[in-house]
Amino acid sequence: DQQVKQNSPSLSVQEGRISILNCDYTNSMFDYFLWYKKYPAEGPTFLISISSIKDKNEDGRFTVFLNKSAKHLSLHIVPSQPGDSAVYFCAARLYSGGSNYKLTFGKGTLLTVNP
Amino acid sequence: DTGVSQNPRHKITKRGQNVTFRCDPISEHNRLYWYRQTLGQGPEFLTYFQNEAQLEKSRLLSDRFSAERPKGSFSTLEIQRTEQGDSAMYLCASSSAGDQPQHFGDGTRLSIL
Repeated sequence: DQQVKQNSPSLSVQEGRISILNCDYTNSMFDYFLWYKKYPAEGPTFLISISSIKDKNEDGRFTVFLNKSAKHLSLHIVPSQPGDSAVYFCAARLYSGGSNYKLTFGKGTLLTVNP
Repeated sequence: DTGVSQNPRHKITKRGQNVTFRCDPISEHNRLYWYRQTLGQGPEFLTYFQNEAQLEKSRLLSDRFSAERPKGSFSTLEIQRTEQGDSAMYLCASSSAGDQPQHFGDGTRLSIL
């Protein structure tokens, strides 16, 4: 049973426009949410995060919104650039005891930004 | 570069052989995680170390898998008697204490012939 879902396998946008990537989760015990970006042949790179007690976090062109009642979060990239083309993973953190904050990932969304 | 380092980057082996991967975390990070990623999926948690102590193992980690972090620095993941289903990308991540994100290495891609 997948606890973190990214229902759009791919998204294509024009350079300069907004990219919106969505993520839904089912476990209300998740306390932290993260977005990672992954280029081919590289490991995931941390992008931005948000605590479950907040509803918005912004870092430059990247903003993450959290709607706890809907168990939904989204990543906004404005303006989108061709270098943003990558697979984006949504991840949720769960404290599972013994100081372990393991991450549960969605399947990812391939973002393509066209020049 | 002081990021997470994983070796080898690629490993091709025959079914039934043993393989070992190494992960060198960011030096000041005391937490180390192993994940596995298969095609079309996100990374899945395998196991977690705080310093040298292995504090959690996923049900995904069968008896053929063993991980160590002997001195609380680098870690190794060994798979014995490899099977076709073990083919995947094995990712290592590390983090410091507190609300800090996990930082990933570039992974070891395992292919079983």
